[in-house]
Amino acid sequence: ETPMTQSPATLSVSPGERATLSCRASQSVISNVAWYQQKPGQAPRLLIYGTSTRATDIPARFSGSGSGTEFTLTISSLQSGDFAVYYCQEYNKWPPVFGQGTKVEIK
Amino acid sequence: EVHLVESGGGLVKPGESLRLSCAASKLTFSSCSMNWLRQAPGQGLEWISSISSASSYLYYSDSVRGRFTISRDNTRNSLYLHMNSLRAEDTATYLCAAGCGGDWRILDFWGQGTLVAVSS
Repeated sequence: ETPMTQSPATLSVSPGERATLSCRASQSVISNVAWYQQKPGQAPRLLIYGTSTRATDIPARFSGSGSGTEFTLTISSLQSGDFAVYYCQEYNKWPPVFGQGTKVEIK
Repeated sequence: EVHLVESGGGLVKPGESLRLSCAASKLTFSSCSMNWLRQAPGQGLEWISSISSASSYLYYSDSVRGRFTISRDNTRNSLYLHMNSLRAEDTATYLCAAGCGGDWRILDFWGQGTLVAVSS
């Protein structure tokens, strides 16, 4: 398994501002990275896969980038419904592993 | 809208058993690989078991192999996890998730989870 390290653990952002979340793999995972959003009491939701491809019905304000060992999820202008925990997942090897999550909270 | 609904969680004593279920709706269930993950309190997500669409491939993490059994019934759009010899460290919210696209390691749909607590 390739540990995935997410940073920061908590990100305080004002509505309308940009949020940048990072995920680092201990070795190259090529572009096999996905991002999920989880709100309290709700099922996680797939946002991004293949590093940068948005899942169905995901707004354009969510974007993913990176390669190798460094990956980023950017939320261009935070809306009230975006305050949640975000997990990165690498699926280059088996089993896929997740980062510990970044909580995006209202500043 | 796709729904995955887990059930069967509860409080059990060490060594006891539980069977979790995951009911799927508005999903081409028989075309999806299905997975169980868990999230211990305050911890991240752990992938613990997978089953391919026709049940021909099964996966278990080291932490549950030999104690847990995954199965599915495509006629009932349901996924199961039989958990035996439960331990305190199995305490977690158990989530089912479906991989329905070209790469089934990408989890397209998730349930909200069911809580399993193992304590004497």
